[in-house]
Amino acid sequence: DGGITQSPKYLFRKEGQNVTLSCEQNLNHDAMYWYRQDPGQGLRLIYYSQIVNDFQKGDIAEGYSVSREKKESFPLTVTSAQKNPTAFYLCASRSQGIDTQYFGPGTRLTVL
Amino acid sequence: AQSVAQPEDQVNVAEGNPLTVKCTYSVSGNPYLFWYVQYPNRGLQFLLKYITGDNLVKGSYGFEAEFNKSQTSFHLKKPSALVSDSALYFCAVRDGRGSGYALNFGKGTSLLVTP
Repeated sequence: DGGITQSPKYLFRKEGQNVTLSCEQNLNHDAMYWYRQDPGQGLRLIYYSQIVNDFQKGDIAEGYSVSREKKESFPLTVTSAQKNPTAFYLCASRSQGIDTQYFGPGTRLTVL
Repeated sequence: AQSVAQPEDQVNVAEGNPLTVKCTYSVSGNPYLFWYVQYPNRGLQFLLKYITGDNLVKGSYGFEAEFNKSQTSFHLKKPSALVSDSALYFCAVRDGRGSGYALNFGKGTSLLVTP
């Protein structure tokens, strides 16, 4: 987990609210990723960014949005359009030319 | 698309016995394969990877994995299991440039090591 921080660790949201999950890395990595983890389903890609001011949709981007204004930061917003947002969200980063992704500690989002 | 499959939801092993967690892959071209471990309510920790070279890859915490091209497998192994190895294990394959080299994960295998 070292070098990648996610906050908060636990987040509770009421239906109809947007919430933003923070991901920060001090590894000077170029690429950053957001994954969603549901029990028994592994991890699924939401969004990724390979450089500042550029990001691309992953497999399950509907109801989510991101920004990449700084190299070290890649926040994820879960909008009210996301029908089933309760899940564990993991942020990862990777250095250009290196294949290994390193993960943050995760944020558990629960919709009340 | 590149994909991996983990055929076992759970593996039970007695402490001190060897363990194997299975993974098979389906890719076009040469596979870039990874194993990660996850402890409860934590992020994923990198264990090892296969890119090219020796079919036996050594990683962290005494784990190793054997790449078998003919069987399209990349099984995770450890000669002697510890209770502290109990966790959720994920196999993953790197996707292509069009997906930003994201990882495609298996559904995970829960490893339980009993004393």
